[in-house]
Amino acid sequence: DAGITQSPRYKITETGRQVTLMCHQTWSHSYMFWYRQDLGHGLRLIYYSAAADITDKGEVPDGYVVSRSKTENFPLTLESATRSQTSVYFCASVDRLTDTQYFGPGTRLTVL
Amino acid sequence: GNSVTQMEGPVTLSEEAFLTINCTYTATGYPSLFWYVQYPGEGLQLLLKATKADDKGSNKGFEATYRKETTSFHLEKGSVQVSDSAVYFCALLNTQGGSEKLVFGKGTKLTVNP
Repeated sequence: DAGITQSPRYKITETGRQVTLMCHQTWSHSYMFWYRQDLGHGLRLIYYSAAADITDKGEVPDGYVVSRSKTENFPLTLESATRSQTSVYFCASVDRLTDTQYFGPGTRLTVL
Repeated sequence: GNSVTQMEGPVTLSEEAFLTINCTYTATGYPSLFWYVQYPGEGLQLLLKATKADDKGSNKGFEATYRKETTSFHLEKGSVQVSDSAVYFCALLNTQGGSEKLVFGKGTKLTVNP
């Protein structure tokens, strides 16, 4: 199916563990983004990527690592999870012809 | 810099009421403006957009007009339904420098009661 998918949809982990959230899009969009959504903060940009092998920091990058070896995948890794990283994470890609961002369904991450 | 300010919620309305959610922006140049909607448990999806001054975006009965003189992009709907209950985000895109990064407002939660 065409679209943007995220996995897992729900994840519970413990402080200090490494966690990787996956994002996959089927459109071959060049731009992709990772956001976190928290009450009172709205959406905050963590990292983004303009193309394969090109990534850049967003508003709140500390504690996160990204890679983009293939255009369609943009994984987000929490190297050593902390309770403050409990959040809902959204991946998105952009159709540059229409400037429309398409969002995945989100991953709800709980760090105990 | 670029920023978006939208009215804080939550907003609670009865079915068939008129809806306005205010959004104002600060930006250099000529940004494009968007409204995204997030239904419970889902990701955001584009509701409507406008790319230049005086453009009106519309979709599903919602409308918003790009007002450069007041730097606003208020969302309106004449008669809301229970199914419109969601969180609404105003956003701008300023592609100066080639960036595709959206700047979002904090979101306004709308609840429509039958």
